[in-house]
Amino acid sequence: ETGVTQTPRHLVMGMTNKKSLKCEQHLGHNAMYWYKQSAKKPLELMFVYNFKEQTENNSVPSRFSPECPNSSHLFLHLHTLQPEDSALYLCASSPLGRPISMNTEAFFGQGTRLTVV
Amino acid sequence: AQKVTQAQTEISVVEKEDVTLDCVYETRDTTYYLFWYKQPPSGELVFLIRRNSFDEQNEISGRYSWNFQKSTSSFNFTITASQVVDSAVYFCALSEAGVKAAGNKLTFGGGTRVLVKP
Repeated sequence: ETGVTQTPRHLVMGMTNKKSLKCEQHLGHNAMYWYKQSAKKPLELMFVYNFKEQTENNSVPSRFSPECPNSSHLFLHLHTLQPEDSALYLCASSPLGRPISMNTEAFFGQGTRLTVV
Repeated sequence: AQKVTQAQTEISVVEKEDVTLDCVYETRDTTYYLFWYKQPPSGELVFLIRRNSFDEQNEISGRYSWNFQKSTSSFNFTITASQVVDSAVYFCALSEAGVKAAGNKLTFGGGTRVLVKP
């Protein structure tokens, strides 16, 4: 148990469906992240939220829409996905270091295995 | 841009053998962090070790040790006396440091699958 929980663990959706991935952390962290892990590419950073504000969008298509209502929860809303979007989506959280230069390691959830059919 | 390369895609060993995983990185930052993560079949990434770029001291933590060579941009990781439970995919990662509100943005290598046979 890393303290980061992702639901659902597995999701199969059609290209016209709308679904959401949920991530919750109970570690008191104030930074949260979405990463994508596909079979053909290394782990890729998608989005970064610091103190509920999005600070990074790594050129992610608009069919992926993140939401961070508070520092403990992070969502990834999905709509009109393509089969190539099938992947393991990992959520992570980390504290922002005090002092700022002392970033520490990120803690990851178990991921949501997404299959787009 | 940052880049992390793990040239070994898969390593197979017999239990109790040592395993060394190679990692080479590229960055223009003068201050950065290096990490090793383990991904067992369950999927989550488990943090193993972190090294700051300004500290090249190599250490041992239990059965894990690492060799950080800034001159060659390498951050190799060794598992001593491997066990079947060490079977997993291991990722080397790099993050920038010292940037306000940047968080811990990780650039990962492609991973090395380690198979430890009994």
